[in-house]
Amino acid sequence: QQPVQSPQAVILREGEDAVINCSSSKALYSVHWYRQKHGEAPVFLMILLKGGEQKGHEKISASFNEKKQQSSLYLTASQLSYSGTYFCGTEPETVDRGGADGLTFGKGTHLIIQP
Amino acid sequence: DTEVTQTPKHLVMGMTNKKSLKCEQHMGHRAMYWYKQKAKKPPELMFVYSYEKLSINESVPSRFSPECPNSSLLNLHLHALQPEDSALYLCASSQELNTGELFFGEGSRLTVL
Repeated sequence: QQPVQSPQAVILREGEDAVINCSSSKALYSVHWYRQKHGEAPVFLMILLKGGEQKGHEKISASFNEKKQQSSLYLTASQLSYSGTYFCGTEPETVDRGGADGLTFGKGTHLIIQP
Repeated sequence: DTEVTQTPKHLVMGMTNKKSLKCEQHMGHRAMYWYKQKAKKPPELMFVYSYEKLSINESVPSRFSPECPNSSLLNLHLHALQPEDSALYLCASSQELNTGELFFGEGSRLTVL
């Protein structure tokens, strides 16, 4: 089942902060975050596993609330290079680890950073 | 080498043509994936190979036929496609099935006339 991302789009000035949310109706094993720029392949940002851990990568960090089946991606002091579409991908807890279920991506959040 | 290489980058084909998309990785990954992505939509999983064994996604039409000749190569054979199959086809790999980071290739942009 496809996770729900919000907001659909965000427009920021350089240096401002943003939060992108991802929620699922299923119990989750993991949440992945990817960024895709126009005409390019998705690029991995981070993965969060069941356990509610928070991860960071430069000025981009994420949290995973396994009780609420929600993950949030935090972009602080945004840079022009952060522009793109952000996708969360989720793996349900009950996924057949030997099967074809894999990641299901949300519809994406389009982030525009203006100078 | 942390790349997934896809060829061709662009492909235009008629509905009666037979063509193939190719994907290669040399990271020693044992899981490889085909995703389809329409404009302004998320990638949708089509096929998964783990240790060169196919896990079938039953919602994919039979006009798409995957092949994994060895652990580094993944092909997608195309036959009798429809205009609605026009999309970006992304190949990805991961160390093991459903584990860890997906490394995506640049994609093959397919147009079916």
